[in-house]
Amino acid sequence: DAGVIQSPRHEVTEMGQEVTLRCKPISGHNSLFWYRQTMMRGLELLIYFNNNVPIDDSGMPEDRFSAKMPNASFSTLKIQPSEPRDSAVYFCASSFWTGGDNQPQHFGDGTRLSIL
Amino acid sequence: AQKVTQAQTEISVVEKEDVTLDCVYETRDTTYYLFWYKQPPSGELVFLIRRNSFDEQNEISGRYSWNFQKSTSSFNFTITASQVVDSAVYFCALPRGNAGNMLTFGGGTRLMVKP
Repeated sequence: DAGVIQSPRHEVTEMGQEVTLRCKPISGHNSLFWYRQTMMRGLELLIYFNNNVPIDDSGMPEDRFSAKMPNASFSTLKIQPSEPRDSAVYFCASSFWTGGDNQPQHFGDGTRLSIL
Repeated sequence: AQKVTQAQTEISVVEKEDVTLDCVYETRDTTYYLFWYKQPPSGELVFLIRRNSFDEQNEISGRYSWNFQKSTSSFNFTITASQVVDSAVYFCALPRGNAGNMLTFGGGTRLMVKP
């Protein structure tokens, strides 16, 4: 079975450029999560979608960050304009939520983002 | 609020030693799940186990075992006869209560197994 697929695996770009990260969740999963991981701050949840609807975006750092989920099989995380402090590994994860039964989240391989 | 504490930030052992990674949690929920994830040097996050608070029996999977004690709010992870391939960062996690399927992660424990 295909796992969570993220692209690109690595992205190096200059400050001020727009960055778009992509995620394809596991088929049949109805919950999708975007995380950011840095040495300083550890693993941070940025945004959580359920049935393609954003449920909690309290972790999104600022207005430069936006996320969309136009359908059940695709999500994007966009940073515009990017800054060096956005450099991190960004993970997408998906799971199946039925209410009360916390199924495990399954993670993609991550996108290593470097902003110069 | 939900909280997960992994007090050991880094552990170093020699191959074949047994090692236990501690996880202590706080929750207001009466029933809940707990999770462990592994992050090897290659960077991906791998799901290891999910346990329900109803079930306090120890779980064993090969060299891995988990000890869940509700009375002390702990969910510890033991690796028996550690191997170099066990070197990774290990995360313990707890759902955020009535908030969908979001998780609260501990800070992680970096395990280094030396040959």
